[in-house]
Amino acid sequence: GAVVSQHPSWVICKSGTSVKIECRSLDFQATTMFWYRQFPKQSLMLMATSNEGSKATYEQGVEKDKFLINHASLTLSTLTVTSAHPEDSSFYICSARVFGLQETQYFGPGTRLLVL
Amino acid sequence: EDQVTQSPEALRLQEGESSSLNCSYTVSGLRGLFWYRQDPGKGPEFLFTLYSAGEEKEKERLKATLTKKESFLHITAPKPEDSATYLCAVQSRPVGSARQLTFGSGTQLTVLP
Repeated sequence: GAVVSQHPSWVICKSGTSVKIECRSLDFQATTMFWYRQFPKQSLMLMATSNEGSKATYEQGVEKDKFLINHASLTLSTLTVTSAHPEDSSFYICSARVFGLQETQYFGPGTRLLVL
Repeated sequence: EDQVTQSPEALRLQEGESSSLNCSYTVSGLRGLFWYRQDPGKGPEFLFTLYSAGEEKEKERLKATLTKKESFLHITAPKPEDSATYLCAVQSRPVGSARQLTFGSGTQLTVLP
């Protein structure tokens, strides 16, 4: 149980294009999902917290207009990197908190983004 | 502000050589301490949640313990497949928070055959 999927697992795009990453909780409902960014050999950096049906809360320094987050249902959150640039290249990971079951976050497998 | 410090940064063990990883934390009020395993190029895999000092949890060759200031992840007779980065995270009890996790920088464990 508590499986989280991400799609795509990797994406290569040209500078200036937008990329959408999906995060799904497959066997549970997640009222809260989190988006992280991870650079090589570094720990996870929280970008934003999204709650179903409401606006995401972004961490300090994260551009809201650059990283659009939509949490349209209890099983799906999306992250759109708008007008991507090479510096946006990174490993993006989502997590979901199991509703009603303590506070454990379960993570997706991650999406590697390379912007050329 | 919550802080998590993991040590050592890297650890190399021979297969069968038991050891411990440390996670020291500072929080205003601990709601939970979490251990995750992360393999290269993958998302973190949940291992344990500990909620109060004195609590212990085990899974195969891994055992996690918790005190009021730190947590240990004990690895007994490790195998090469235990090689990974182990992440510790805390969740505190601030008023009005989304109950986010604060992660340590991780311990990269390598088990040699």
